Amino acid sequence: GDSVTQMEGPVTLSEEAFLTINCTYTATGYPSLFWYVQYPGEGLQLLLKATKADDKGSNKGFEATYRKETTSFHLEKGSVQVSDSAVYFCAQETGGFKTIFGAGTRLFVKA
Amino acid sequence: NAGVTQTPKFQVLKTGQSMTLQCAQDMNHEYMSWYRQDPGMGLRLIHYSVGAGITDQGEVPNGYNVSRSTTEDFPLRLLSAAPSQTSVYFCASSPHGTRGGELFFGEGSRLTVL
Repeated sequence: GDSVTQMEGPVTLSEEAFLTINCTYTATGYPSLFWYVQYPGEGLQLLLKATKADDKGSNKGFEATYRKETTSFHLEKGSVQVSDSAVYFCAQETGGFKTIFGAGTRLFVKA
Repeated sequence: NAGVTQTPKFQVLKTGQSMTLQCAQDMNHEYMSWYRQDPGMGLRLIHYSVGAGITDQGEVPNGYNVSRSTTEDFPLRLLSAAPSQTSVYFCASSPHGTRGGELFFGEGSRLTVL
């Protein structure tokens, strides 16, 4: 069935380091892909999305490109800040009213 | 702007007790859903609704009931709580719930079943 796999955490980085969080998906159709972020004690909120192959989603310095050939949607940021510490979830939605989430990757950024 | 509101934020139950988690949204969204979040497992869909009077099962529906009598409200009922239902529950809504549909989440309800 459809699924989302993302790298296990936690990921610990120093401030201003480069961030990559890997995400791959399996889907029978052509899903929309999302990254959600969850700050401590809060619900999830949308970080960025892409709805078709080769689309790049971007927001707050984060980017991810929809790669159909490798079924991937890796999250990147060139220079992380302490305030980026959170849990990041990759997700897909295939139009069947069900959004499928990965297990989440916790990011710690040290000053 | 309230968005999606969940109550209660915290609840402790004994095995066998029943309770209802409330969810309300003020964005006139047709689509609403309930997820549970467990460590290492991400979010798993319990039930969802595409409009008033219409509900359907998600990935893990057993032990939970839902109803959708109005567009605004989507309560989740635990009929006979079990320790395996200890989790954080999130309600989410979307204006369309179809391709490309962003989900708007509540702040979560942490449930402990003893």
